[in-house]
Amino acid sequence: KAGVTQTPRYLIKTRGQQVTLSCSPISGHRSVSWYQQTPGQGLQFLFEYFSETQRNKGNFPGRFSGRQFSNSRSEMNVSTLELGDSALYLCASSAGLAGGIEQFFGPGTRLTVL
Amino acid sequence: AQSVAQPEDQVNVAEGNPLTVKCTYSVSGNPYLFWYVQYPNRGLQFLLKYITGDNLVKGSYGFEAEFNKSQTSFHLKKPSALVSDSALYFCAVRDGDTGGFKTIFGAGTRLFVKA
Repeated sequence: KAGVTQTPRYLIKTRGQQVTLSCSPISGHRSVSWYQQTPGQGLQFLFEYFSETQRNKGNFPGRFSGRQFSNSRSEMNVSTLELGDSALYLCASSAGLAGGIEQFFGPGTRLTVL
Repeated sequence: AQSVAQPEDQVNVAEGNPLTVKCTYSVSGNPYLFWYVQYPNRGLQFLLKYITGDNLVKGSYGFEAEFNKSQTSFHLKKPSALVSDSALYFCAVRDGDTGGFKTIFGAGTRLFVKA
């Protein structure tokens, strides 16, 4: 099975712009989560989607949004980019919504905001 | 609130020696605990998990973890370290219910294995 794929792998944007990141989960996985990884804050949960519905959300401003399509692919959008949004954005998929199910991570999208 | 603590930023160990990466947690109910590893420029890889049952959990690449409910700990261990084990290790707890979950990660511990 192909793993979790994320596109693009690298992005450079300027402050005020918006960006859309894409994630394709492992075939058959219906749960997709997004995380932000920075040296200072570590790994922080953004949101989780299951069957096209946002099931949980982390403590991020409304500039961060996401969605999931019927084929389980997911996108996240960040509007009005700030310098502090520079980070590695990781997507993870899992086979279901149970707490004890492990997640499979993509390689990430590295976003640099200038 | 659920939380995970990894008290060591870095652990250094010689190849062939046993290694331990520490993790303590705080949860309100039964814990779902995980260890993940991150190699440079790559995403996280699942190593092992504890849901219920035996306190000693075995995972990938010869790693194991010991769940200790009284000490609220879930330390990662390996009997004999390899240079290739050098990476960033994250302990995590899953928080939520059937309505939705989120994974809370520790700050990470960088493991250096010296030849």
